[in-house]
Amino acid sequence: RKEVEQDPGPFNVPEGATVAFNCTYSNSASQSFFWYRQDCRKEPKLLMSVYSSGNEDGRFTAQLNRASQYISLLIRDSKLSDSATYLCVVNPPSGTLTFGKGTMLLVSP
Amino acid sequence: DAMVIQNPRYQVTQFGKPVTLSCSQTLNHNVMYWYQQKSSQAPKLLFHYYDKDFNNEADTPDNFQSRRPNTSFCFLDIRSPGLGDTAMYLCATSRLSGGSTDTQYFGPGTRLTVL
Repeated sequence: RKEVEQDPGPFNVPEGATVAFNCTYSNSASQSFFWYRQDCRKEPKLLMSVYSSGNEDGRFTAQLNRASQYISLLIRDSKLSDSATYLCVVNPPSGTLTFGKGTMLLVSP
Repeated sequence: DAMVIQNPRYQVTQFGKPVTLSCSQTLNHNVMYWYQQKSSQAPKLLFHYYDKDFNNEADTPDNFQSRRPNTSFCFLDIRSPGLGDTAMYLCATSRLSGGSTDTQYFGPGTRLTVL
């Protein structure tokens, strides 16, 4: 099983749609979890941290299920500017981050 | 203001010709990382420094070396670049406190092409 696994996509959605990304991780001792966003040919940027209680930031909602080793990101009311690759990132006990390959999102008019 | 700066942004080198990429940070973070990211792949950690303590990933080729002369600067040296080293090289920083690292902040990357 890969350390961090994501659906590669791409997800093609119209503006205004709701889209959900899923991610699973293999190391049950992992301590912290993040979603990063990466635009084409740019560096990854932190979108949000993911907490066990779930957290929301505007149109973005992240959820963590430790028992299932599963992380999700929900984007509501998609905008054209949301088009990017979304990277699921896990911090295992080693202390360094492990990245998923990312899921590409394409929002069309 | 840029917090993690990488130079150059684009580098073209010839097969076998050494190249050095630089990274500097204004965040005073004690941890610095170098990642390699190839097209459509996840960033792959090459090595990182906790202060001056160097940590090499087990599968990082010997061809890749690093130096951290002070807190602010970190260099990636590729001694004999091969065609397969064409990639984006990302520098990141974070702060280690209480045994855990905070969020990583990435520089804009250096896009290296080996011809």
